Amino acid sequence: KNEVEQSPQNLTAQEGEFITINCSYSVGISALHWLQQHPGGGIVSLFMLSSGKKKHGRLIATINIQEKHSSLHITASHPRDSAVYICAVSFGGTSYGKLTFGQGTILTVHP
Amino acid sequence: GAVVSQHPSRVICKSGTSVKIECRSLDFQATTMFWYRQFPKQSLMLMATSNEGSKATYEQGVEKDKFLINHASLTLSTLTVTSAHPEDSSFYICSARGQHRGNEKLFFGSGTQLSVL
Repeated sequence: KNEVEQSPQNLTAQEGEFITINCSYSVGISALHWLQQHPGGGIVSLFMLSSGKKKHGRLIATINIQEKHSSLHITASHPRDSAVYICAVSFGGTSYGKLTFGQGTILTVHP
Repeated sequence: GAVVSQHPSRVICKSGTSVKIECRSLDFQATTMFWYRQFPKQSLMLMATSNEGSKATYEQGVEKDKFLINHASLTLSTLTVTSAHPEDSSFYICSARGQHRGNEKLFFGSGTQLSVL
C-alpha cells in the first residue's frame, strides 16, 4: 500500500524560529513534492525532489531515498508562512504523474 | 509564473442540479489535467486524470457518469458534477501538468468549494 505520513500534524511557532516538517513514505517513488495550501484552499507547488536537497529563499527541502524520508525546513519563520504544508509523492516512473498526498501539517507562526 | 485559473471559487446549488467547474491554463499547454477532491480535515484525493483529446481515467470508487470530465483543448478542462447531492459537497481542485519555459511543471488551480443543499 502506498502511504505518505507527515509529522507533526500541527505545529505552532514564534516568529523567527526554525521549523521542520517531516514526511515518510512506504514504497519507492519517482518524485516527492512539497505543497503549500493557504486558507481558502489554493495550492502552490514549493518543490519537486527526486534526490538531494533544494533551496528557495527561506525554504529548504531534503530527501533521503534510502530511508524514504523527506524534510521541509523554514528558516526565520514569519506569520505569512502560516499555512498547511503537504507532502505528496508520485510513482510509476514519472515525476509529475498521479500524486498520493500526506494529511498535511498545519503551521501557525505567531508574531 | 504559470497560472491555472479555476472557476468558480465557490458554488452553492440545490440537490439534483449539475455544476460545472472549469480549469484553464493561462500561459502554458496542459497536456495532462488532474482533478482532486478534499473533504474537511482530510487529504486531497485524486478523482481522475485526463489527457487532452482522450477520455479521462477515473480512480477506483469515482463514478464516471456522475463526474464528467472534458479536456477538449490543451488549455481547458472541465469537471461537471451531475445530479449533485449533499454528499458531493467538498473542495474540488485541479492541477495541470505541462511544459513551462522548457521545464515540465505541475500547477494547481485555486479550488472550488461546492455546497449542495
